[in-house]
Amino acid sequence: TQLLEQSPQFLSIQEGENLTVYCNSSSVFSSLQWYRQEPGEGPVLLVTVVTGGEVKKLKRLTFQFGDARKDSSLHITAAQPGDTGLYLCAGPHGSSNTGKLIFGQGTTLQVKP
Amino acid sequence: DTGVSQDPRHKITKRGQNVTFRCDPISEHNRLYWYRQTLGQGPEFLTYFQNEAQLEKSRLLSDRFSAERPKGSFSTLEIQRTEQGDSAMYLCASSLALGGLEAFFGQGTRLTVV
Repeated sequence: TQLLEQSPQFLSIQEGENLTVYCNSSSVFSSLQWYRQEPGEGPVLLVTVVTGGEVKKLKRLTFQFGDARKDSSLHITAAQPGDTGLYLCAGPHGSSNTGKLIFGQGTTLQVKP
Repeated sequence: DTGVSQDPRHKITKRGQNVTFRCDPISEHNRLYWYRQTLGQGPEFLTYFQNEAQLEKSRLLSDRFSAERPKGSFSTLEIQRTEQGDSAMYLCASSLALGGLEAFFGQGTRLTVV
């Protein structure tokens, strides 16, 4: 059974601090995606990583896909209150190309001004 | 059309009532997915369509749940005889079948069963 485990589940930090969120699995994924979700809204896609060892940057956010494609991390530099939200990692379920995703349980980030 | 649209955004219903939600996907997307998300958890897959064909249903989708996508455009998700455990956010997403790594989500329908 494919599972994605995220850590930490909750993170409360002050504005300006750096943080890293982890997404781990015992299964190999062909790709992983990171979403951000605000309360009462749907998830919004931030990035897709497809190559082992890949690093992608989106302004102050840096995403890394593990060499073995079993894990990923999201690093935020100088966090701002606008970064507050639920961060979800997701990967394709199984080997068939259905587009069905499995999600981690999410990391709730609160950035205090 | 700039994104996936869901209606209603919020629904409060009494236990035992039937409810129906609608999803309008991005117009050129031929795949449509329904997910359910409870507080503090990631979304869980319920079912998906490619065009008008429903190709997979999760075991989470009990007999009280039914989904349709007539003509391969919008989709509806109906829950009959709602139970308090059905309270959740119901999310719709769409993608392209070819090269469709990325799914785009609607804003969700928040269902509260009282």
